[in-house]
Amino acid sequence: EIVLTQSPATLSLSPGERATLSCGASQSVSSSYLAWYQQKPGLAPRLLIYDASSRATGIPDRFSGSGSGTDFTLTISRLEPEDFAVYYCQQYGSSLTFGGGTKVEIK
Amino acid sequence: QVQLQESGPGLVKPSETLSLTCAVSGYSISSGYYWGWIRQPPGKGLEWIGSIYHSGSTYYNPSLKSRVTISVDTSKNQFSLKLSSVTAADTAVYYCARDTAAVLGNFDYWGQGTLVTVSS
Repeated sequence: EIVLTQSPATLSLSPGERATLSCGASQSVSSSYLAWYQQKPGLAPRLLIYDASSRATGIPDRFSGSGSGTDFTLTISRLEPEDFAVYYCQQYGSSLTFGGGTKVEIK
Repeated sequence: QVQLQESGPGLVKPSETLSLTCAVSGYSISSGYYWGWIRQPPGKGLEWIGSIYHSGSTYYNPSLKSRVTISVDTSKNQFSLKLSSVTAADTAVYYCARDTAAVLGNFDYWGQGTLVTVSS
């Protein structure tokens, strides 16, 4: 099983700042089959990025994904008030697993 | 617009079987895609349970495989989850979702989730 480790666990930032979230895999994720989700309290996760760097339908271009192999990054270029949430990475190159999440909170 | 809606008992006794159904609207399950179940214990992260194709082909999380059965009813455009021998550790919000890939992939449409509590 591929274990995904997200860091940091919590990121405290102000609106307008840049957020950089990391997702590390215990082994290489084939074909960059990695996705990112945003989850707000009481709601289902929302797909942001798939195949490591492709934005899902309707996702603003301030969200971008990068990486390959075992190291992946989600970047939010300028935080909007609605971006404060928990973010999860998920790999689907070998079975399917999720990371533990990074909470982006208002500083 | 694709919509998914989970339904089932909110309370299950320990050692019994948890049963949930996901009704899909706005898209025919028979048209393709895998359809999955994901759960989230209160205050914790996401865990994939398993996924099914309209043909009945399934993939399960190895850690849950011995207790999980996912089935599909294309005539009702719905799929179901059964988790046997439940314990308090199975208390979670259970989501159903559409898997975008030809096999296992990412999930683009989700239900709102349903909380299932395991308690006597």
